[in-house]
Amino acid sequence: QQQVKQSPQSLIVQKGGISIINCAYENTAFDYFPWYQQFPGKGPALLIAIRPDVSEKKEGRFTISFNKSAKQFSLHIMDSQPGDSATYFCAASMFSGGYNKLIFGAGTRLAVHP
Amino acid sequence: NAGVTQTPKFQVLKTGQSMTLQCAQDMNHEYMSWYRQDPGMGLRLIHYSVGAGITDQGEVPNGYNVSRSTTEDFPLRLLSAAPSQTSVYFCASSYSTGLSGSYEQYFGPGTRLTVT
Repeated sequence: QQQVKQSPQSLIVQKGGISIINCAYENTAFDYFPWYQQFPGKGPALLIAIRPDVSEKKEGRFTISFNKSAKQFSLHIMDSQPGDSATYFCAASMFSGGYNKLIFGAGTRLAVHP
Repeated sequence: NAGVTQTPKFQVLKTGQSMTLQCAQDMNHEYMSWYRQDPGMGLRLIHYSVGAGITDQGEVPNGYNVSRSTTEDFPLRLLSAAPSQTSVYFCASSYSTGLSGSYEQYFGPGTRLTVT
């Protein structure tokens, strides 16, 4: 049972376009929602994160939109660039057993074409 | 700082063999964890540690053992490798900010394991 559902699996966007990746969660105990970016052959790295008391967070070209009532959140990449081509994972965190456990979505492979 | 380092980068095992994946961090982070990454499944937590001498199971612990004798090191042991353990393994470390849910995990470069 996947607690965090991510879509689409893959995404192709033209340079300068907007990339949108969506995630949905079920457990209302989640209290931290990060997005990780992973380049081929590398480990994931934190891109941007949001807490459920905020509806939107923007860092440069990257924006998280959060809808608490719908239990959904999304990543928007404005003015997408070929260097943004990577796999993106959404995640949700809950505090359990003295540890903030991260539950990851399945990932979205983004390709930005020049 | 080297951050989180993992060895080896690649490994091929035969079914039934055992091995240890090494992980070390030089950031003095309290928390360390092991994930496996499989196509279409994201990253799944295998084991984690909240400090030296303290470990616990994650989502998919079967077939794996861990121990944490120092803050820096968190090895993952495969006791008897099976083809289902073919995966990419990532070690991560993090620190507590004192606020539930507000912290960043730092991932190593991964170990690609194939079990034949």
